[in-house]
Amino acid sequence: EVQLVESGGGLVKPGGSLRLSCAASGFIFTTAWMSWVRQAPGKGLEWVGHIKSSTAGGTTDYAAPVKGRFTISRDDSKNTLYLQMNSLKTEDTAVYYCSWEYHSALNIWGQGTMVTVSS
Amino acid sequence: DIQMTQSPSSLSASVGDRVTITCRASQSINSYLNWYQHKPGKAPKLLIYTASSLQSGVPSRFNGSGSGTDFTLTISSLQPEDFATYYCQQSYSTWTFGQGTKVEIK
Repeated sequence: EVQLVESGGGLVKPGGSLRLSCAASGFIFTTAWMSWVRQAPGKGLEWVGHIKSSTAGGTTDYAAPVKGRFTISRDDSKNTLYLQMNSLKTEDTAVYYCSWEYHSALNIWGQGTMVTVSS
Repeated sequence: DIQMTQSPSSLSASVGDRVTITCRASQSINSYLNWYQHKPGKAPKLLIYTASSLQSGVPSRFNGSGSGTDFTLTISSLQPEDFATYYCQQSYSTWTFGQGTKVEIK
């Protein structure tokens, strides 16, 4: 069964840092392109960024609101995707989902992890 | 960044109704347009990819069309489980979502 499980969410103060993890199983992670998407309370879905497979160069792309503050990385030996979030702002409060990209779409999603940025 | 505009923002419909949601891109995105269904407390679900391809396991009452800048998601006969929020999303360049369309019970 294909599965994505996010972890690492919690409460952090503005200006702080947090690292989210996404454990993948049931598919060949090493060839997978992966995304992070978030949903702030009462708002719509927002694409955060993605990372290509290592065989495709492992390059990343980010949405403007998080560029320079967030970093996506992967550890193929652990089948795990990461989202390092620095200089967090209150507007980063959201449920964060990881997703497996296929056919240039977000094919499989995790259940999400909540991040709250508040003093 | 490419802006995606959905209309309407919300709609009320009855079971059995035909429902149409439109999505417009601020520039041409060819057919790099996907549609998702999202229910509260659940993970979003891919319905349609590359504008018109039905994702495996998705009922055939869901149909996607369009290319360039204008796209449509049609639900031919609304079912009780279809009440949800629907999002379009472009994957042509730095990905973006539309603002969502909430489909409510009339």
